[in-house]
This record gives sequence, structure tokens and C-alpha cells, in this order.
Amino acid sequence: AQKITQTQPGMFVQEKEAVTLDCTYDTSDQSYGLFWYKQPSSGEMIFLIYQGSYDEQNATEGRYSLNFQKARKSANLVISASQLGDSAMYFCAMREVSSNTGKLIFGQGTTLQVKP
Amino acid sequence: NAGVTQTPKFQVLKTGQSMTLQCAQDMNHEYMSWYRQDPGMGLRLIHYSVGAGITDQGEVPNGYNVSRSTTEDFPLRLLSAAPSQTSVYFCASSSGKANQPQHFGDGTRLSIL
Repeated sequence: AQKITQTQPGMFVQEKEAVTLDCTYDTSDQSYGLFWYKQPSSGEMIFLIYQGSYDEQNATEGRYSLNFQKARKSANLVISASQLGDSAMYFCAMREVSSNTGKLIFGQGTTLQVKP
Repeated sequence: NAGVTQTPKFQVLKTGQSMTLQCAQDMNHEYMSWYRQDPGMGLRLIHYSVGAGITDQGEVPNGYNVSRSTTEDFPLRLLSAAPSQTSVYFCASSSGKANQPQHFGDGTRLSIL
């Protein structure tokens, strides 16, 4: 069964440092997509970055990058040069292409606090 | 750009009342979904739709109904509200392309007394 696991309920990072948020997944599909979303205290869900299962290179979007290790079924989010505005809840999610439904399975989330 | 619009943003109900959460998207997306978010549990899928006239159950469908009569609208109905349905509800939509993210509405905070 498909599952997303985020083992870090809460993380702290010093401003301007890098931080890695962990995400492991389980799926029997060969084709899938992994997404990271940010949820600030205001509550909206903001899409950050996407990694496809067949992508050979790790995805990057500005200060966000994905450390994708397919054999280990992990897709960790790396935030470089943390800013105070990065304080938020972060969710990892997976979409199985074969289901052809667009639905996402979410992890439990990690709360990140950036210290000045 | 409107994107995904959810109404209302807040609602308080009494146990046993019914109500409909509205969701509309203007991106001509095929896929639409409803999630609920509870502390420590991430977002869980309630119902989803792959196109007008087609809906299916997600992980936690009990107590909820949906319909999709148009591409744009995907309302969620609470049949007889229970305190366990106190949650934040998100509607999302996406295109059929696997690498496209779901776009979320701003959420509805629902309290059942």
C-alpha cells in the first residue's frame, strides 16, 4: 500500500543555515511523483517542488532541492540559507501515475522553526 | 487569478446539522479532491473526482457525500455533522499530467459542537 512517512515532527534551524526534512515513501508503482508543500501559519498550502520517479537528476527550485534516493525510497527536502519566513509546516506527498486519479497521499508533516 | 475557491472559510455547526462546503476552480482541471487536515495526521483524502459525473471514495469517506455535475464545481456535503468531523477541509484540483501539482483552496475551518 502506498504510504508517506515523515519522521521528524519538529525541527529547528538557525537562520542562514541549511536544513534537511526527511521523507520516505512506499509504493509498488514504477511511475510516481513526489511533491513537497509548505503550510505557513496562515494555513494555505503552497507547492514547492516536484520529483518524478524517472527523473535522473535531483529537482531544484531556488533555495529548495530534493535529495532523491530511489533505491532507498527517500525524497528529502533540503532548504538552503534558511530564512525566518521558512518557518512553517512542510508536507511530503506522493501521486501514483497508474491510478490516473490525481490524488495525493500525504505524510504527517514536519514543523520547521527558523531561529534568528 | 482565482484558482481554487472554497466557501465558507469558517463555520460552526451543531451536532446533527447538515451543510455543504463549496469548491470551485477556474483552471479547467479534470481532477478534484477533498482532504481533511487534523493535527498530527497530515491531510487525508475524503473523496475525489476524475471528471464531471465521476467520483470515488478516498481514505476517510464516511459521513460525507460529493457530486461533480460540472468541471468547475465539487461540493462536499456533511450529511449529519458529528464532533469527529471538526477539522480543516481543503479542496484541490489538478490537471491530468502526472508532474503537475494539486492547487489548493484556502481551506474551511469547521467546528462541530
